[in-house]
Amino acid sequence: SQTIHQWPATLVQPVGSPLSLECTVEGTSNPNLYWYRQAAGRGLQLLFYSVGIGQISSEVPQNLSASRPQDRQFILSSKKLLLSDSGFYLCAWSVRQGVNQPQHFGDGTRLSIL
Amino acid sequence: KQEVTQIPAALSVPEGENLVLNCSFTDSAIYNLQWFRQDPGKGLTSLLLIQSSQREQTSGRLNASLDKSSGRSTLYIAASQPGDSATYLCAVGTSNTGKLIFGQGTTLQVKP
Repeated sequence: SQTIHQWPATLVQPVGSPLSLECTVEGTSNPNLYWYRQAAGRGLQLLFYSVGIGQISSEVPQNLSASRPQDRQFILSSKKLLLSDSGFYLCAWSVRQGVNQPQHFGDGTRLSIL
Repeated sequence: KQEVTQIPAALSVPEGENLVLNCSFTDSAIYNLQWFRQDPGKGLTSLLLIQSSQREQTSGRLNASLDKSSGRSTLYIAASQPGDSATYLCAVGTSNTGKLIFGQGTTLQVKP
C-alpha cells in the first residue's frame, strides 16, 4: 500500500532562518506531488506541484521554493523565513495517470515563526 | 478565476440526524470535485471523488452529488455519529495535473 511521510511534525523557527521540509511517498512510482499551506482562518492554498523529477510549478509568488530531487521526494525550502510563512504545511500525492485521481495527504508540518 | 465556497462554516447536530453540507463553485469547467475530511491538527482524508461526467458517488453513509450547471455539490451524511465530527472540505479539480482549489470547509460537531 502507498504511504506518505512528512517531517518534522512541528517546527519553531526564528524570522530570517532557513527552512527545509521533506515529504516522501512509498509504494507508488511517478506520482504527482503537491505542497499546500493552510494558514489560520484560511483555506488550503496550493503552493507548488510537480509532475516529475525536477519539474516544479509555482502557484503563488512567495518566499518559498520547492524541489524534487528524486521521484518520490518533494522538498519545501526557504532561505529566510518571514512571519507570514507561519502555517500548517501539507504534502499530497496522486497517481499521475488519468485526471480523476484522488489526492492523498500527509499528516502535515505545523510551522511557527517567532 | 475559480472560487469555492462552503456554507455553513460550522454546524452542530445531535447524533442520529441526517445532514447536508453544501459546496458551490463559480466556474463549471471542472475535471472533478472531491470531498475530504480533516481532523484537528491532522492531514486530509479523501472521502469521495465525483468526476465531471458523474452526478453522484456513494461510500457507506456518505453520498455526494454534483450539479455542474448550477455549480453546486452536496455531501449527505446519514445517521450522523460523534465520530463524524471533523472539518469537511470540498475541492474542485481544475486541470489535468490534478490541481485542486479548496473551499474553507464546514466544521461539523455531532453531539452524543
